Amino acid sequence: SQQGEEDPQALSIQEGENATMNCSYKTSINNLQWYRQNSGRGLVHLILIRSNEREKHSGRLRVTLDTSKKSSSLLITASRAADTASYFCVLRDTGRRALTFGSGTRLQVQP
Amino acid sequence: EPEVTQTPSHQVTQMGQEVILRCVPISNHLYFYWYRQILGQKVEFLVSFYNNEISEKSEIFDDQFSVERPDGSNFTLKIRSTKLEDSAMYFCASSEMLAGGETQYFGPGTRLLVL
Repeated sequence: SQQGEEDPQALSIQEGENATMNCSYKTSINNLQWYRQNSGRGLVHLILIRSNEREKHSGRLRVTLDTSKKSSSLLITASRAADTASYFCVLRDTGRRALTFGSGTRLQVQP
Repeated sequence: EPEVTQTPSHQVTQMGQEVILRCVPISNHLYFYWYRQILGQKVEFLVSFYNNEISEKSEIFDDQFSVERPDGSNFTLKIRSTKLEDSAMYFCASSEMLAGGETQYFGPGTRLLVL
């Protein structure tokens, strides 16, 4: 099954700074999703971007998708301590229901 | 905003015992899922359920596991004879059927500890 690879594995920034996380994948996709997980708790859906979209915004989140490079990025602007979490780019193989999670990027926002 | 709920939040059991994890999916959703996350590892898909039957399952979902929708609101995961390696966080999720893509909404999880 297709799995996204997030980069970096860990990121530490100061409150107010922007955080950028990247995801690369290998085969063609219909869509790509970003999820957040706080300290081993529940998974929160952030954004779904479809293969025919290049950019999508939601509040302080901006997601880009470059299907020619098979990559996506998640930008969190003006980060807050509450943004401290692991962020996953999540893929689903065509015709399947299962979501495949990578190892994620662990973001630490220092107050 | 509607959300997926799971009970219990924590469960401790002895090896070999049966456990049932419960989930209430979002009410108008049609697909239901179970995932698990062993401590420090990736989230792994177990099973998806649609129209009262399993639509897809992973290699992890062996004969020790079963799922059921006993009524119009609950969705359960049963582990018949728990093993130490079943210790994990178990997440339930649900989704609508949408053309062109779907979002799976996850519950807060049940942390299962097998002793």
